[in-house]
Amino acid sequence: RKEVEQDPGPFNVPEGATVAFNCTYSNSASQSFFWYRQDCRKEPKLLMSVYSSGNEDGRFTAQLNRASQYISLLIRDSKLSDSATYLCVVGGVYGGATNKLIFGTGTLLAVQP
Amino acid sequence: DTGVSQDPRHKITKRGQNVTFRCDPISEHNRLYWYRQTLGQGPEFLTYFQNEAQLEKSRLLSDRFSAERPKGSFSTLEIQRTEQGDSAMYLCASEGVSSYNEQFFGPGTRLTVL
Repeated sequence: RKEVEQDPGPFNVPEGATVAFNCTYSNSASQSFFWYRQDCRKEPKLLMSVYSSGNEDGRFTAQLNRASQYISLLIRDSKLSDSATYLCVVGGVYGGATNKLIFGTGTLLAVQP
Repeated sequence: DTGVSQDPRHKITKRGQNVTFRCDPISEHNRLYWYRQTLGQGPEFLTYFQNEAQLEKSRLLSDRFSAERPKGSFSTLEIQRTEQGDSAMYLCASEGVSSYNEQFFGPGTRLTVL
């Protein structure tokens, strides 16, 4: 079983749609949670950290359920510029020596005009 | 631009050659990570430095790989006797003490082994 699992997609949605990405992680000792965005042949860029209380940044909302080991990302009113791969990322294990990040394989989003 | 730089951006080499990549992290960040990413996969952790100390190495890092961070600033990753399976994007990430584990990635070095 992969440490971080997410649906690879692709998700093809029209402009203005709401799209949700889900992710599960296997290590219950994980401390930190993120969504990164990666454009084709570019480096991953931090989209948002995910907190237990949930957090929102404009059109983006992230949720964390520690009991279910489940992370989600909601994008409202999607734009053409949102087209990218969205990576679910988990890091920092309690008692661990490093904060290495464990990435899912990514979910490809294509927003259509 | 995250402030993390990597050099070179692209490297094409023949099997069996040695290659070296460099990463310059954000200047005040003391933590530096190397990851490798192949097509269709997320990045995978290779190794971690806190200042000049290499504190963790992945099992992915075979004996042909070595990394250094001699003065706790820039880091180098060397691959000896490259193999076609080493072809990948090599990413460096920088993290500060108070960054809450938020890591910022450089543009990567894309390695192609012929």
